[in-house]
This record gives sequence, C-alpha cells and structure tokens, in this order.
Amino acid sequence: GAGVSQTPSNKVTEKGKYVELRCDPISGHTALYWYRQSLGQGPEFLIYFQGTGAADDSGLPNDRFFAVRPEGSVSTLKIQRTERGDSAVYLCASSLFSGNTIYFGEGSWLTVV
Amino acid sequence: QKEVEQDPGPLSVPEGAIVSLNCTYSNSAFQYFMWYRQYSRKGPELLMYTYSSGNKEDGRFTAQVDKSSKYISLFIRDSQPSDSATYLCAMRGDNQGGKLIFGQGTELSVKP
Repeated sequence: GAGVSQTPSNKVTEKGKYVELRCDPISGHTALYWYRQSLGQGPEFLIYFQGTGAADDSGLPNDRFFAVRPEGSVSTLKIQRTERGDSAVYLCASSLFSGNTIYFGEGSWLTVV
Repeated sequence: QKEVEQDPGPLSVPEGAIVSLNCTYSNSAFQYFMWYRQYSRKGPELLMYTYSSGNKEDGRFTAQVDKSSKYISLFIRDSQPSDSATYLCAMRGDNQGGKLIFGQGTELSVKP
C-alpha cells in the first residue's frame, strides 16, 4: 500500500485479556518499528525489526509484550494480560533500511477497561 | 530528567506570525535531529531532518541545531491555521537505527 497500515484502528478490551495489533509496512521497507504514545506525550520506542529479526527490543516494558515479523513484512504486536496502564496509541512505522527516513502509520488506539 | 525536553505549550499565535519551537537534550551522542508534525488522531509526519549542527530550510520551515548548547529549534514563517497541530522533536545517535527519542510535543494553534 501507499502508507503504513495498522489494524485495528480502535480496540477496547477488558483488563486481563490478550490483544494483537497488526502492522503492514510500506512495500519494500526492510525496517519496521513499534512505538507507544500516551495522551499528551511523545512516542516511546518499543522495538524495531530489520528483516525478520528484532534488532532492538530494549523498549518493551515487560514480558507481557511481544512482537513478531515472521516473513519480514507484516508485524504483530502481542500484549498478554492487558492492564489499564497499557491504554495508549500503538504506532507502527517503517523505513527503507534502518536509519533512513521513518514513516508512521495512524496508530491503533487501545483502551483497556 | 528526560533525555529530551520540550515545552508542551499550548502555544497560540495569530495567522501570519513567526513561530519558534524548541527542544533541549542531554545526550551528546545524538547526531540526527527531526521535527514531526502530528494532527489530532493521526500518526506523526516528518517535516524536517538534520544531521549534526547547522540550519536547514524548506519553504516556510527552518530547522536549527546547536550541538554545543544541545538545543534545536523549528521556525515557522507566515504561520497558517493549517499549521495547527502538535510538533514533536525527535533525535537519535549514529548507531541507534530507528530508535528515536521524542520530546513531549508542543501543541500549536494558529488563529485566523
């Protein structure tokens, strides 16, 4: 597609449930990133992939968060046992290669009730 | 203390004004400096990208980086109501791939 595509755009889930957020990067982009943005804050880095492998996952807050990119294109961010503090916008981004210009999607708005 | 500090505003200016947005940072390893614009309920959109110190101009926008002071600025000339958005500074080091460190964002409103 023309831009980074994220689904779902909105997700409301109950505390303790499992959630998957999907990202489809710009075609041909080898690097893919996940960021999290809380209300009134700038995005915070979670993880980035170069190809299929996670090159840097230092921003994942704890072991409830996990991300995969099995074929080097689409990525899924998985959150187990969701907590109310996980409520945020989860932004996916991609770039041609690591270090090139990063393009963001419109985000998946997660609300944990 | 955060690595990147940015005044959250909100900042309100009349149409046609010159707007100055600023960020300070603490990590001297940062070499790449970016400004993103984010409209409500949208993803950040890259506006300006600068490597190391210096100035860069693109239309009504000018980005300045002063590494000696650890201070970056974005100037918007002849501001328009369509410039109303949140402006985010972001930066990273040489070998940090896509790990950008963002400021909090400054909310700008340009009144007609």
